Amino acid sequence: EVQLLETGGGLVQPGGSLRLSCAVSGFPFNSYPMTWVREAPGRGLEWVSTIGSGGDDTTHYVDSVKGRFTISRDNPKNTLYLQMNSLRAEDTAVYYCAKYYGPGRRWFDSWGQGTLVTVSS
Amino acid sequence: DIQMTQSPSSVSASVGDRVTITCRASQDISNRLAWYQQKPGKAPKLLMYVASSLQSGVPSRFSGSGSGTDFALTISSLQPEDFATYYCQHTNGFPLTFGAGTKVEIK
Repeated sequence: EVQLLETGGGLVQPGGSLRLSCAVSGFPFNSYPMTWVREAPGRGLEWVSTIGSGGDDTTHYVDSVKGRFTISRDNPKNTLYLQMNSLRAEDTAVYYCAKYYGPGRRWFDSWGQGTLVTVSS
Repeated sequence: DIQMTQSPSSVSASVGDRVTITCRASQDISNRLAWYQQKPGKAPKLLMYVASSLQSGVPSRFSGSGSGTDFALTISSLQPEDFATYYCQHTNGFPLTFGAGTKVEIK
């Protein structure tokens, strides 16, 4: 059974940093691109970042987080990360990690339960 | 960037009704579209991909259609467990974008 579990959310002041983790099991982690998607309160879904697989760790980001967020993966630990720096109030959201259907197939067939990030003073 | 426009933003329907949600892309995306269902407090669930392929385990009352810029998700006979918010997402390159969502509510 595919499982994804996000941790690391919490309350942080504007300008602060937070690192989210997503521990996965039930599939060959190193073979699948992975992504982060967020859902701000009362708003819809927003794709945040993607990282490649199979040795191609190419990364992509939505413009609003470029230069502030860094996605990475530790394949031996089956864990995905999102390092978030210079946080802003508008980054407040539930952050989901999700698994790609397959390489090059940019839709997400398994999701974690989400972790809440609140940026407030 | 490709913009995804969903309509309606909400729809009230009864159990057994046929419901259709539409999604329009700001440029031609061929069949590179996915649909998700999300219930309050839960993660999204993949329903359809490449516009009309049903994800494993999803009931056959869900169907997808369209190509180019205009797409639709149809629920042929609404069931109580289908009351949720539905999102489209283009898969035609980065940045990936979602529609704003369509909330299907009980009439």
